[in-house]
Amino acid sequence: DQQVKQNSPSLSVQEGRISILNCDYTNSMFDYFLWYKKYPAEGPTFLISISSIKDKNEDGRFTVFLNKSAKHLSLHIVPSQPGDSAVYFCAASRDSSYKLIFGSGTRLLVRP
Amino acid sequence: GAVVSQHPSWVICKSGTSVKIECRSLDFQATTMFWYRQFPKQSLMLMATSNEGSKATYEQGVEKDKFLINHASLTLSTLTVTSAHPEDSSFYICSASGQIHYGYTFGSGTRLTVV
Repeated sequence: DQQVKQNSPSLSVQEGRISILNCDYTNSMFDYFLWYKKYPAEGPTFLISISSIKDKNEDGRFTVFLNKSAKHLSLHIVPSQPGDSAVYFCAASRDSSYKLIFGSGTRLLVRP
Repeated sequence: GAVVSQHPSWVICKSGTSVKIECRSLDFQATTMFWYRQFPKQSLMLMATSNEGSKATYEQGVEKDKFLINHASLTLSTLTVTSAHPEDSSFYICSASGQIHYGYTFGSGTRLTVV
């Protein structure tokens, strides 16, 4: 039973445009969500998080939106840059120190 | 910022031998450490959660006698893959969370190849 799903395995975007990565979850107990960026053979790097009391959190070019009723969150990157090319994982937890459940990842390619 | 150091970054071992992977929190006390594994092109799968001074909690399907986890101090957790077999070849990653430092910091991962 996959509690966190990223249904798009890959996404290709032109440099300067917006990248939108989506994530769905099934467990209503989740109240803390995170996005990570990962390169091959490296550990994930934290990008941005959001708690369930908010519906939006912004940090520079990265914005995470949370729709609790739809159990859906998305990561917007604007403007996209070639250096953003990586695999992006969404993750969910019951609180900020409980175990993370990861989605399967979306490979983002930003074309120059 | 919070830093987690994981060693070794890669290791090749013979089938039947044991391998130890270390995970250290360098600038904060990690009350909880998590161990994940990732197969190629797949997600990070949580193997176990360890709290300092207590036994690790393993996820369903993870053999606790094969993957020994020790979290003896607030800055160090180790994962020992015992009697390794080729199917244990994977990318293992730790993460740490602390009482003061909320959230998660990941180590850089260990690529284990069993031949």
